[in-house]
Amino acid sequence: DGGITQSPKYLFRKEGQNVTLSCEQNLNHDAMYWYRQDPGQGLRLIYYSQIVNDFQKGDIAEGYSVSREKKESFPLTVTSAQKNPTAFYLCASSGTSGGLYNEQFFGPGTRLTVL
Amino acid sequence: AQSVTQLDSQVPVFEEAPVELRCNYSSSVSVYLFWYVQYPNQGLQLLLKYLSGSTLVKGINGFEAEFNKSQTSFHLRKPSVHISDTAEYFCAVSKAVVSGGYNKLIFGAGTRLAVHP
Repeated sequence: DGGITQSPKYLFRKEGQNVTLSCEQNLNHDAMYWYRQDPGQGLRLIYYSQIVNDFQKGDIAEGYSVSREKKESFPLTVTSAQKNPTAFYLCASSGTSGGLYNEQFFGPGTRLTVL
Repeated sequence: AQSVTQLDSQVPVFEEAPVELRCNYSSSVSVYLFWYVQYPNQGLQLLLKYLSGSTLVKGINGFEAEFNKSQTSFHLRKPSVHISDTAEYFCAVSKAVVSGGYNKLIFGAGTRLAVHP
């Protein structure tokens, strides 16, 4: 079955540590996205990538980094510079065809807790 | 820039009753509109979308929404809810693009629908 997988589902981190969240898709999508979800705030875009080896900052990129070395993979690193990293992180992907709209498909999410 | 306001943070309703979740948007350009559903500790699933054409949009699970350009609204409705509809619902807007462009999604804060027996 095609889809997006995120791992781990739950992640605990000590303050001052970097941590990397995994996102893999087998939908053959060119574009991938990372969102952060906090209670009462909806989803906010961290980074996105429309093609391999290229990515752009979203609205809240500070304290995060990404890489896009393969089409299928878009890992997110939460660095120690992120002041309030406890949140639910969602990865998404979409095609980039010439139609009106390219639907974003979401993974199941990773809940990160900083202890 | 676009923005989205979901007017209710929580909506309690009894099973088999009708429900409306309200969404207003702001934009100076044409937009696409979406409703997503999120079950606890899961990702988002697209319920329905408005891109163009008929202003009444039907989605999955018996939901529908109506695009009202003059009132800049896109309210979600279901005539009879089930316990299984209990979830968080997000309204989102994207600037309409001509072809193949990047559709950045702007999300509302969400509405938690609680269906009671």
